[in-house]
Amino acid sequence: GAGVSQSPRYKVAKRGQDVALRCDPISGHVSLFWYQQALGQGPEFLTYFQNEAQLDKSGLPSDRFFAERPEGSVSTLKIQRTQQEDSAVYLCASSFYRDRGSQPQHFGDGTRLSIL
Amino acid sequence: AQTVTQSQPEMSVQEAETVTLSCTYDTSENNYYLFWYKQPPSRQMILVIRQEAYKQQNATENRFSVNFQKAAKSFSLKISDSQLGDTAMYFCAFGSSAGANSKLTFGKGITLSVRP
Repeated sequence: GAGVSQSPRYKVAKRGQDVALRCDPISGHVSLFWYQQALGQGPEFLTYFQNEAQLDKSGLPSDRFFAERPEGSVSTLKIQRTQQEDSAVYLCASSFYRDRGSQPQHFGDGTRLSIL
Repeated sequence: AQTVTQSQPEMSVQEAETVTLSCTYDTSENNYYLFWYKQPPSRQMILVIRQEAYKQQNATENRFSVNFQKAAKSFSLKISDSQLGDTAMYFCAFGSSAGANSKLTFGKGITLSVRP
């Protein structure tokens, strides 16, 4: 597709379950970002990939959060033993250049995660 | 670390009128990038306009323009001839040009309502 694709669009899970969120970036985009957006707030950075290398995971809130991008394209954000505070919209973004802050990030529609 | 502040939680404007959304930021960097993103209820973040800090000229994109005051660390967005489709949340964001990670730091956002 032409844009960043995320799936599922909505995910409901019971507390303690594991979830996996998928991001399919724009073809050829080197950089991939995950953000977490709480209700009524701005997105907050979670982690960054340059191709398959995870260069920054400083925003991951706990060791229950894990992200991968094994072939440098599709990425998966996994949350283990989910907690209610994990409820949020998870946004994925990609951009073409590796280290050019000027290059705009293109966002997907996000996955709304609700933990019951 | 960079911070982005949007102090107005919401604003309302009459269709066809002009509205200005405020944003301030804090950074010790000299070269960086600033962005305004729009997020309608569909959740997708859409780039509205961007500004490179080393450029003195304010960026413009059709009905959208910015007032960039580097010394004051201020970056406001002016929307002229407001349209109903402009109703959305607007986020100001900071992008560093240093290092390999061009993650964005977002403000809390402002809800803009355009009245018919």
